[in-house]
Amino acid sequence: AQKVTQAQTEISVVEKEDVTLDCVYETRDTTYYLFWYKQPPSGELVFLIRRNSFDEQNEISGRYSWNFQKSTSSFNFTITASQVVDSAVYFCALGPNAGKSTFGDGTTLTVKP
Amino acid sequence: EAQVTQNPRYLITVTGKKLTVTCSQNMNHEYMSWYRQDPGLGLRQIYYSMNVEVTDKGDVPEGYKVSRKEKRNFPLILESPSPNQTSLYFCASSLSATGANQPQHFGDGTRLSIL
Repeated sequence: AQKVTQAQTEISVVEKEDVTLDCVYETRDTTYYLFWYKQPPSGELVFLIRRNSFDEQNEISGRYSWNFQKSTSSFNFTITASQVVDSAVYFCALGPNAGKSTFGDGTTLTVKP
Repeated sequence: EAQVTQNPRYLITVTGKKLTVTCSQNMNHEYMSWYRQDPGLGLRQIYYSMNVEVTDKGDVPEGYKVSRKEKRNFPLILESPSPNQTSLYFCASSLSATGANQPQHFGDGTRLSIL
């Protein structure tokens, strides 16, 4: 069975602060795929990034960056200089792999002006 | 416009009255899946389909049925809904048959309330 843990249920920051969302995963697969999705207050789910298990290169995209560490089974997401529009629920997900997909419980980020 | 369309968006109904939530995608995706979202529990997979006529159970399939007669459609059927199925439901699709390495595209969600 696979599992995704987002230990931070809620995070509150003030605008322009940096914030890191943690994600720890468990899987027995040797090849797997990790994703981050954003769910703003309007409710839709928006894809942010994906990583393959064989690609540990970290990525920066504008104010967003991701740190994938296979040794610690973590796939953390950092927002630099947060903005009010970043307020949302963020989900880390494992898979789908052979159809099965597992999401974490989500981290609610509130960015205050 | 590439999209996943769910209907209805909102439904209030009563225990035991059969209902169907439709899901259609126009991206020619192989993979489709249903999830339910409950407060504090993230998204939990109900059923998925890797191809026409191929469906399989996710983590929480009890009380639900699905079918995949056509590539674009993946309806979710509640034969005898119960209050514990009150939830926000999302349909998703993905390009590859297994869903591997491809992001899922989600519908806007269907909020079901079963009294």
